[in-house]
Amino acid sequence: GEDVEQSLFLSVREGDSSVINCTYTDSSSTYLYWYKQEPGAGLQLLTYIFSNMDMKQDQRLTVLLNKKDKHLSLRIADTQTGDSAIYFCAESMSAGSWGKLQFGAGTQVVVTP
Amino acid sequence: DSGVTQTPKHLITATGQRVTLRCSPRSGDLSVYWYQQSLDQGLQFLIQYYNGEERAKGNILERFSAQQFPDLHSELNLSSLELGDSALYFCASSPGIRGAEAFFGQGTRLTVV
Repeated sequence: GEDVEQSLFLSVREGDSSVINCTYTDSSSTYLYWYKQEPGAGLQLLTYIFSNMDMKQDQRLTVLLNKKDKHLSLRIADTQTGDSAIYFCAESMSAGSWGKLQFGAGTQVVVTP
Repeated sequence: DSGVTQTPKHLITATGQRVTLRCSPRSGDLSVYWYQQSLDQGLQFLIQYYNGEERAKGNILERFSAQQFPDLHSELNLSSLELGDSALYFCASSPGIRGAEAFFGQGTRLTVV
């Protein structure tokens, strides 16, 4: 089974906030990441958070990290149709570096008008 | 555009054949990573090279091999191909071994028939 778990699907109305959740297992992970994959495209790094942080905000994106519960979330404010994609949560398996990432299965986000 | 270039974009080949996938990292990046994305396994780390040397190994089959050349481009060789090898193969690069960010190419879609 996967060490990083995500819900598989999220439907959200345009203009609303989206929250994508992820749980991970390795408490020694240094970095946790969110990647976006649009149909037929590669993986786009959206944001990442260092494991000693609780929150990181970057424009419409807010990442929350709960180390105690090993829970990571990505909030997208004012969700747009262009945000429709698969979102992957990932944890670094190499201390202090990007290195080998363990990815979740991805959450398909569908934004409806 | 991430700056990571992968060729070819699509590849169709028969079972038992051998193919080579090529990756040119971003200018100045010394580390190259290979990932496989398939429907049943999700995103799996295969292997990492740093400045020509193998740095980390993941779930890479013995039929697969990779190398990184002096000009830092990398090739992933897949031999004795099976239907189950059909997948999207991604390359990513980062400046060094340590650091938080790496950027993915657009991927090579391999179809084995």
